[in-house]
Amino acid sequence: DSGVTQTPKHLITATGQRVTLRCSPRSGDLSVYWYQQSLDQGLQFLIQYYNGEERAKGNILERFSAQQFPDLHSELNLSSLELGDSALYFCASSVDRAGNYGYTFGSGTRLTVV
Amino acid sequence: QQQVKQSPQSLIVQKGGISIINCAYENTAFDYFPWYQQFPGKGPALLIAIRPDVSEKKEGRFTISFNKSAKQFSLHIMDSQPGDSATYFCAAPSGGYNKLIFGAGTRLAVHP
Repeated sequence: DSGVTQTPKHLITATGQRVTLRCSPRSGDLSVYWYQQSLDQGLQFLIQYYNGEERAKGNILERFSAQQFPDLHSELNLSSLELGDSALYFCASSVDRAGNYGYTFGSGTRLTVV
Repeated sequence: QQQVKQSPQSLIVQKGGISIINCAYENTAFDYFPWYQQFPGKGPALLIAIRPDVSEKKEGRFTISFNKSAKQFSLHIMDSQPGDSATYFCAAPSGGYNKLIFGAGTRLAVHP
């Protein structure tokens, strides 16, 4: 157990639907990062939150949004789902102190859009 | 956008052999170079990392070699074992705020 908890582990939904993925960071970590990993693809950075505020944005689609709550858990919302959104979605957390880049990843949510 | 280019895409090594995976980066401001290991169905896990003030770091059978002038760093797995079969990602921080960008990954298969 890495200490980063992602739920649900698996999600199957239809095109056009909306889903919410949840991430609880490791205790003490203030930053949460979301990554998308498509089949046989690398890890694409989506978005970062630090202590409730958006810090950095990657190639995140407008149909996707995220937030980090006061208890530091984060949610990634995916709407108007398309077949191409099927992927593994990973959350990672870090203490995010200067020079400390250590990430801890969760086990991911496998999203299948049918 | 700054990139990290990783090669090869896949690698097959016999048990006991040496696995070598390479990464090239663009941004000379990068100051931390980690390698992550990912097993099927799991999230990536930090394997080993190096800062550019050293040219090599070794942890057990895993070694990172860093060439600052060539802007390259590589992962060497000595005495490769079937249990090392996984996907390996290099990464580097980009754009501040400790955001990591990852290479495309190398799928390593170690045959007994």
